Amino acid sequence: DAKTTQPPSMDCAEGRAANLPCNHSTISGNEYVYWYRQIHSQGPQYIIHGLKNNETNEMASLIITEDRKSSTLILPHATLRDTAVYYCIVRVGGLQGGKLIFGQGTELSVKP
Amino acid sequence: SQTIHQWPATLVQPVGSPLSLECTVEGTSNPNLYWYRQAAGRGLQLLFYSVGIGQISSEVPQNLSASRPQDRQFILSSKKLLLSDSGFYLCAWSPKGGGGGYTFGSGTRLTVV
Repeated sequence: DAKTTQPPSMDCAEGRAANLPCNHSTISGNEYVYWYRQIHSQGPQYIIHGLKNNETNEMASLIITEDRKSSTLILPHATLRDTAVYYCIVRVGGLQGGKLIFGQGTELSVKP
Repeated sequence: SQTIHQWPATLVQPVGSPLSLECTVEGTSNPNLYWYRQAAGRGLQLLFYSVGIGQISSEVPQNLSASRPQDRQFILSSKKLLLSDSGFYLCAWSPKGGGGGYTFGSGTRLTVV
């Protein structure tokens, strides 16, 4: 199973872009990169996922390098409510749908 | 739209007592279902997953068991709780196939005393 490496914590100023990096150097060709976040005492919330192309939705953008060994989640205008633990996950498994294995994530603190 | 229900929200149980946590999904059929646990200050640990009725896979040996009696119902149980079973329990579902995201329930905070 491909593993991910994330910095344990990051700070970001309110209104600025938050760029959260993730390394997944052992990712295989059919594995997706997923990002979730967990606000304290709540269930994780899906943010975005991608396979090889960059993706954007109303919450964030996902930039995946051409060799797919790393990715960056971008929150374009961070707010205080974006303070959370952000998990980068590589999804394992086959056609039945794979398991999401969570690491320790990055604790993002958005400061006024 | 799909929704996931998990209850109760909080639970305090004595050591040695039984446990039953229930999770149901609405608005979809044949989902993959998952139970996760999060101990205080730590990441989420996958406990069980199920790809169909009666099909349960256990990820870690423990004092807990899971069952899926109906397509959209997933139950987490224990016959005798231990102090170490305390934690935040989360149910999740995902569609079949490789690209779908997971949707998590709101969780049950279990304290074993």
